Amino acid sequence: GAGVSQSPSNKVTEKGKDVELRCDPISGHTALYWYRQSLGQGLEFLIYFQGNSAPDKSGLPSDRFSAERTGGSVSTLTIQRTQQEDSAVYLCASSSSGSSGETQYFGPGTRLLVL
Amino acid sequence: GENVGLHLPTLSVQEGDNSIINCAYSNSASDYFIWYKQESGKGPQFIIDIRSNMDKRQGQRVTVLLNKTVKHLSLQIAATQPGDSAVYFCAENASDDYKLSFGAGTTVTVRA
Repeated sequence: GAGVSQSPSNKVTEKGKDVELRCDPISGHTALYWYRQSLGQGLEFLIYFQGNSAPDKSGLPSDRFSAERTGGSVSTLTIQRTQQEDSAVYLCASSSSGSSGETQYFGPGTRLLVL
Repeated sequence: GENVGLHLPTLSVQEGDNSIINCAYSNSASDYFIWYKQESGKGPQFIIDIRSNMDKRQGQRVTVLLNKTVKHLSLQIAATQPGDSAVYFCAENASDDYKLSFGAGTTVTVRA
C-alpha cells in the first residue's frame, strides 16, 4: 500500500491477556518505529528497527513489551499480561533509512483498551 | 487566532482567520523539526518540516518559522478552514539521533 498500515485498528482485551499489534511499513522503508500515545498526550518512543541492526529497545516501559521485525518489513509489538495502564494508542511509523533529519510517516494506530 | 510566544494546549480560531501555533523546544542539538497534524481517530500526518540552517519555510497555506536563539518554532496556517481542526504536534530530532521528541500538542478548533 501507499502508506503505513496497522492492525487491528481497535483492540479490547481483559487484564492479564496478551495482545499482538501489527505494523506494515511503507514499501522500501528500512526504518520502523513504535510509539505510544496515551489519552491527550504526546507521543512516547518505544522501539526502533533499522535494517539488520539490533533494535533500540530503550523506550519499552517494561519487560512485558517486546517487538519483532521479520524479513525487514512487517513488525509485531507484543504486550504480555496486559495491565489497564497499557491502554493507549500504539502508533507505528517508518522512514526511508532511519537517519537523523528524516521524515517519519505514521500509520493510523491501534487503539488498545484493557478492561 | 494566536498564542504568541507561549505554548497553549488549545486554540480557537474563526474560519478564514490566520492561526499561529507555538512550540518551544529544549534540545539545542536539535537540527530538524516537523509539524504533524492529528485528526480524531487518526495517526499523525506530516505537514511541513524545517532544518536548522533555515529560519522560514513555506508550504501550501502553512509557514513554519524557526528561531534557534530562543529555541522556538511556530506554525502559521493561512485562512484557517474547518478541516484544519485537529491536534498539532511539533517534533524535534537531534543530529545524532533518529528518535523524534514530541511536544504536548495544541488542539485547534475552527469556529464557523
